[in-house]
This record gives sequence, structure tokens and C-alpha cells, in this order.
Amino acid sequence: DVKVTQSSRYLVKRTGEKVFLECVQDMDHENMFWYRQDPGLGLRLIYFSYDVKMKEKGDIPEGYSVSREKKERFSLILESASTNQTSMYLCASSLGGLPYEQYFGPGTRLTVT
Amino acid sequence: GENVEQHPSTLSVQEGDSAVIKCTYSDSASNYFPWYKQELGKGPQLIIDIRSNVGEKKDQRIAVTLNKTAKHFSLHITETQPEDSAVYFCAASTISNFGNEKLTFGTGTRLTIIP
Repeated sequence: DVKVTQSSRYLVKRTGEKVFLECVQDMDHENMFWYRQDPGLGLRLIYFSYDVKMKEKGDIPEGYSVSREKKERFSLILESASTNQTSMYLCASSLGGLPYEQYFGPGTRLTVT
Repeated sequence: GENVEQHPSTLSVQEGDSAVIKCTYSDSASNYFPWYKQELGKGPQLIIDIRSNVGEKKDQRIAVTLNKTAKHFSLHITETQPEDSAVYFCAASTISNFGNEKLTFGTGTRLTIIP
């Protein structure tokens, strides 16, 4: 059974803190994605990675960075958390090449106070 | 970049009736159109997808239609059941600035099935 896991379901951080969100997939997928989900705005792509150490900005990369040192792990970093980054964060993975099904993790609800 | 619009944002349907959710997209180069279902407390899960060389695809009570000329696609759920209650997202594939595939999602439809 395919699986994408995220390090935390709920996280509360203070403004200005550095925040790490971790995602691990066990499907040997080439592509990994980070989205944020906000009411009325759907899923918006923050960053994605199509290979180890390779990354590309999505539609809303400002205030975020990512790291992919191993194929199975993709980290989202908030260098200095702000209240407008309070959101649900979803990680996904997929095979490379043609567009394929993306498998999502359960999400991390981040609150920045 | 790609823009995907989804309607309606909320939909209530009597159990047993049909539900239709519609999406439009802007990038004529998009060639893959998946639909995801998100249940409470879970990540989205693919329920059906269609590629641009096909006009319609069915899987039991679920069907998707695609009109490439008009740049719109729709999800049809027949004989709705309480377990169909969820948030549904459409998406369209696009090519990034560096030639990689990515998805642009619609804003979601909250479907409620009334027993």
C-alpha cells in the first residue's frame, strides 16, 4: 500500500521561528510536491522537486524554501514564520515523466501565533 | 500561468440524485485532468482522471467529460450516497518554466448528500 507520511498533524509555532515540515514517501517516486490549502483558495503549489537536490518554485514560493537530499524525503522550511503562513500544508508524490496520480499525505495544520 | 475555475463552491444533493461539478481551464496545452476527493481529516485522493485524447471516461457511478475546444471538464456522480459527501477538487496539468509537469487545482466544491 502506497504511503506518504508527514512529520506532524498539528504544529503551533511563534512568529519568527524557523519551522521544518518533513515528508517521506515509500513509493520510489521521482516527483514530490508541497501545497498549502486555505478555505476558498484550494490547493496552491509552493515548491516541487523532480529529482534529488533538484527543486522548482511553484505558484507561491515567497517565504518558503525546500530541501531534498534523499529521494524519499522532501522538507519544507519556513525561515521566519509569520501569521499569514498559518495554514494546512499537504505533501504529495508522483512518478516522473508524464503527469501521473499524485499521492497525498494527511497534512500538517500549522498555526503561527 | 494556468488558471482553473471550479463551480459551484458548495452543492447539496438528495441521496440517490446526481451531482455535477464543472471546471474551466485557461492553458490550451493542458493535457491531463484529474479529480480528487478529500474526506475530513485526510489528504486528497484521486478518484478519476482523463487525458486530452479522450472525451469521456466512466468508472462505476463516476464519470468525467472533457471539451478541449471550450476548455472545460466536468465530474458527474450518479446515484449519490452519503459516503460521497466530501470536498472535490479538479486540476489541470501544466508545464513549468523549466519544462516539468505540475498540477493547478481548482478552489474545491463541498458536496453534501442529504439522506
